[in-house]
Amino acid sequence: GAVVSQHPSRVICKSGTSVKIECRSLDFQATTMFWYRQFPKKSLMLMATSNEGSKATYEQGVEKDKFLINHASLTLSTLTVTSAHPEDSSFYICSARGELAGKYNEQFFGPGTRLTVL
Amino acid sequence: AQKITQTQPGMFVQEKEAVTLDCTYDTSDPSYGLFWYKQPSSGEMIFLIYQGSYDQQNATEGRYSLNFQKARKSANLVISASQLGDSAMYFCAMRRFSGGYQKVTFGTGTKLQVIP
Repeated sequence: GAVVSQHPSRVICKSGTSVKIECRSLDFQATTMFWYRQFPKKSLMLMATSNEGSKATYEQGVEKDKFLINHASLTLSTLTVTSAHPEDSSFYICSARGELAGKYNEQFFGPGTRLTVL
Repeated sequence: AQKITQTQPGMFVQEKEAVTLDCTYDTSDPSYGLFWYKQPSSGEMIFLIYQGSYDQQNATEGRYSLNFQKARKSANLVISASQLGDSAMYFCAMRRFSGGYQKVTFGTGTKLQVIP
């Protein structure tokens, strides 16, 4: 299947700092990228959907100014957690979907980024 | 509201035995897709199998098969000949189109443990 990478895989930061997470589709053009958040032993919660070149669509309850999403190219999306606080600590997973990727037009997931805010 | 329900928080299965993981869904959309993903302890989500709402036959992918009962709105995953490497979290998910774009909702997951 298609490959999606995320960087960094793990990040620890101090409260009040901003953290940027990158999501790249390595072998296909991702027309749509999704950002999820997963709490320990919980399901994935969709945070936002972004289409290349346009503003992200955020789910209800997700702060747009807190979680900045940029999908500047067909292979790269970034999630910036601004002024991070301990409650932002979580596992963040991106996924990508492309027109020619996936027999069932399924999403391909990155390996996730574990964010710990001290 | 669109909803995915996985009622089994945890399951055990003996190695080489078959196991069924339950999934029910609720949607009023006529067209939707159902997925199963595996999430090992490392965290990555691995696509296993897909069933479209209009597919007449149950999906199969190797040792994975999907028992799709549309009238009951269930999409159970059957893993045959379980292996130790099958121990992981399993998520059922439903895809639908909302506002012109694709949206996927995940269930709460089932933790499967394969016993040697």
